[in-house]
Amino acid sequence: KAGVTQTPRYLIKTRGQQVTLSCSPISGHRSVSWYQQTPGQGLQFLFEYFSETQRNKGNFPGRFSGRQFSNSRSEMNVSTLELGDSALYLCASSLGYQLYTDTQYFGPGTRLTVL
Amino acid sequence: AQSVTQLGSHVSVSEGALVLLRCNYSSSVPPYLFWYVQYPNQGLQLLLKYTSAATLVKGINGFEAEFKKSETSFHLTKPSAHMSDAAEYFCAVRAYGGSQGNLIFGKGTKLSVKP
Repeated sequence: KAGVTQTPRYLIKTRGQQVTLSCSPISGHRSVSWYQQTPGQGLQFLFEYFSETQRNKGNFPGRFSGRQFSNSRSEMNVSTLELGDSALYLCASSLGYQLYTDTQYFGPGTRLTVL
Repeated sequence: AQSVTQLGSHVSVSEGALVLLRCNYSSSVPPYLFWYVQYPNQGLQLLLKYTSAATLVKGINGFEAEFKKSETSFHLTKPSAHMSDAAEYFCAVRAYGGSQGNLIFGKGTKLSVKP
């Protein structure tokens, strides 16, 4: 079974631009979660989608948004980029039915650099 | 609210020595706990998880962890370190309540293995 894939793997943007990251979950998984990883803040939860609906949201500004399509693929968008948005963005997929015990499988991440 | 604390941001061991990575949790409800490993420029890989079945959990690559409620700990161990174990290790707990279920991560412990 193919794992979680994320595209692109690397991105360089400038302040003020917007960016869209994509995540394809493991086949059959209906939940996709997004995390931001930075050296200073560590791993922080952004949001989770299940069956095209946002089920859970972390404490990030409204510039961070996401969506999920009917095939469970997900995108996240960051508008008006700031230097502090430079991070590794990780996507994780799970079956989604057992909220607390399901295993989340992570993709390789997208490394975003904001200049 | 749930949280995890990883003691020691860097741990160095010799090849063949015992690996012990410490994780303490805080939770007002029975926790669901996870250990993930991250190799350079990669995503997170699940090592093992505790979901209230057995207190001693065996994972991949020879790792295991023991859930100790009295000590609120979930330390990760491996009897004999291998060079390939050099990576960063994250302990995580599931957020609980409502539609939560996202992972809350510790700050991570970088493991170095000396030949």
